Amino acid sequence: GQNIDQPTEMTATEGAIVQINCTYQTSGFNGLFWYQQHAGEAPTFLSYNVLDGLEEKGRFSSFLSRSKGYSYLLLKELQMKDSASYLCAVRDGDYKLSFGAGTTVTVRA
Amino acid sequence: IAGITQAPTSQILAAGRRMTLRCTQDMRHNAMYWYRQDLGLGLRLIHYSNTAGTTGKGEVPDGYSVSRANTDDFPLTLASAVPSQTSVYFCASSEIQGSADTQYFGPGTRLTVL
Repeated sequence: GQNIDQPTEMTATEGAIVQINCTYQTSGFNGLFWYQQHAGEAPTFLSYNVLDGLEEKGRFSSFLSRSKGYSYLLLKELQMKDSASYLCAVRDGDYKLSFGAGTTVTVRA
Repeated sequence: IAGITQAPTSQILAAGRRMTLRCTQDMRHNAMYWYRQDLGLGLRLIHYSNTAGTTGKGEVPDGYSVSRANTDDFPLTLASAVPSQTSVYFCASSEIQGSADTQYFGPGTRLTVL
């Protein structure tokens, strides 16, 4: 099985940077995903890492260290619309995802 | 518009009743999944199907059943609903081929069992 930990809540100011950490313990690893979920909506895909290192996508970047069982999602130039929950998910060898409980990010003006 | 649809959007159900949540995708994805999402627990996998005609149990399968008669549809049935099944249910699908295989989620069904 998978054990995935991420902080429950984070608050940041508009225009700032926030880093959401995710640690995992896994019996099989086949990639790490980050999803964004606005209140009352479905999760939507943000990023994917399967090799160590940084993946950048506009204002969002995701980092993975497989040896440390660690990932982070970096949100730059925060905007009010970035207020949402961010879900870390680990995929196993059977292509099933296990999700962390999510980190609720609140962006303040 | 391509994607995943779920029905109903929300439902209030008496305990002991049978209920089927519907999920349909038009992306011709091989794999489909059912999750429940509860506050503080995140998304938990109930059942999945890697291809039409096959299904598998996820993390929390008890009290739920699924079928996958064709590629597009993946209904979830609660045979006799209990209050602990009050949750938001999300259906998802993916190609399952390729390394960056992403799951796409439906809009969800909010179920309340009284």
